[in-house]
Amino acid sequence: DAGVTQSPTHLIKTRGQQVTLRCSPKSGHDTVSWYQQALGQGPQFIFQYYEEEERQRGNFPDRFSGHQFPNYSSELNVNALLLGDSALYLCASSPRLAGSYEQYFGPGTRLTVT
Amino acid sequence: LAKTTQPISMDSYEGQEVNITCSHNNIATNDYITWYQQFPSQGPRFIIQGYKTKVTNEVASLFIPADRKSSTLSLPRVSLSDTAVYYCLVGDMGPGGGADGLTFGKGTHLIIQP
Repeated sequence: DAGVTQSPTHLIKTRGQQVTLRCSPKSGHDTVSWYQQALGQGPQFIFQYYEEEERQRGNFPDRFSGHQFPNYSSELNVNALLLGDSALYLCASSPRLAGSYEQYFGPGTRLTVT
Repeated sequence: LAKTTQPISMDSYEGQEVNITCSHNNIATNDYITWYQQFPSQGPRFIIQGYKTKVTNEVASLFIPADRKSSTLSLPRVSLSDTAVYYCLVGDMGPGGGADGLTFGKGTHLIIQP
């Protein structure tokens, strides 16, 4: 059973560009959350998708947007990249209706903005 | 969510028991205490969760006093591979609530030496 997978592993972009990161949740999970982790900091919650809709959102500007597909996979889009967007982007999944008390994280995508 | 305070870093040696304490003075009645572990360049991994008294699993024990204003994660007989960042999270993350967006602090960087 594959866990949470993310692609790509690493990415280098230039300021002002746009980026799309992808996540496939663990089998049987229908809820996907995205987190941003800057160097030396804990992960910060960006938003969560369930039933193809954004259900919760952290304190991130609307340059950060997402999508969830019918197969529960998800994308994170960041527009107009800033140097400060350089971070590890983590995807986590969980089964919402199963009374989950833990989230399963993927290995992350390391984004570098130059 | 309740604010948490934990040491920034700790050192120990292989074979020792390590205790990491987390303070959460304004914990709410519905809040659970959850610990995650993160290795470099990986996503966090759920370790243990508790509400009161003591919880033990194959990885760790969690001690919670009656007033619930603090908690202690205990790792028995640590090895070099236990070197990681440990996050204490407090919130309504019990069964059913664990799928919501998580709030991570900076965590405790535990370094195990030979």
